[in-house]
Amino acid sequence: QSALTQPPSASGSPGQSVTISCTGTSSDVGGYNYVSWYQQHPGKAPKLMIYEVSKRPSGVPDRFSGSKSGNTASLTVSGLQAEDEADYYCSSYAGSNNFEVFGTGTKVTVL
Amino acid sequence: QITLKESGPTLVKPTQTLTLTCTFSGFSLSTSGVGVGWIRQPPGKALEWLALIYWDDDKRYSPSLKSRLTITKDTSKNQVVLTMTNMDPVDTATYYCAHRPDYGRYFDYWGQGTLVTVSS
Repeated sequence: QSALTQPPSASGSPGQSVTISCTGTSSDVGGYNYVSWYQQHPGKAPKLMIYEVSKRPSGVPDRFSGSKSGNTASLTVSGLQAEDEADYYCSSYAGSNNFEVFGTGTKVTVL
Repeated sequence: QITLKESGPTLVKPTQTLTLTCTFSGFSLSTSGVGVGWIRQPPGKALEWLALIYWDDDKRYSPSLKSRLTITKDTSKNQVVLTMTNMDPVDTATYYCAHRPDYGRYFDYWGQGTLVTVSS
């Protein structure tokens, strides 16, 4: 099972928006509405930001939103803030045999 | 409040077997739909999904590591144990355990992680 493909980096100025893509196949991202996104600051554990494509856990700002089209999911961070600078990983269910897979990760820089 | 904490050796030799324990609180692994998973992250690299065990003892493994992994649970002790055989330097990573909520396909609470180095 191959990792989902994410761009290595993305950046934006404070207040701007940044969108991160997560590309898989019809066997994972495209086949199920089970895409989740995690934020990870250096030296810290990942934090769930989005689940089931577009749902936000309690406490996650509504600046974070998720969507999916075909085999590609996206995470958009609107109104960028300094604390949003982190690594972001997507994950998708991939069926009963492969089960789940993470993305390659994207480093978001706030300029 | 859900918390998880990983424990185990920080250094193992090549070919040895790694045993990691996840001790958790704030939920029960006998609750329908709940699971605990293991994820690892080599230094400077991406997350990698390893294994998952559900309340009903259903177990899932990464296809690429399935032959080397075993996941078990002790509900009475609130612990989940992951063993990985035939350790290699490429297995050097921070190993995380995480909580899977009722029938969810995501991890909503994570442990702090434990760094395991494989070296002779």
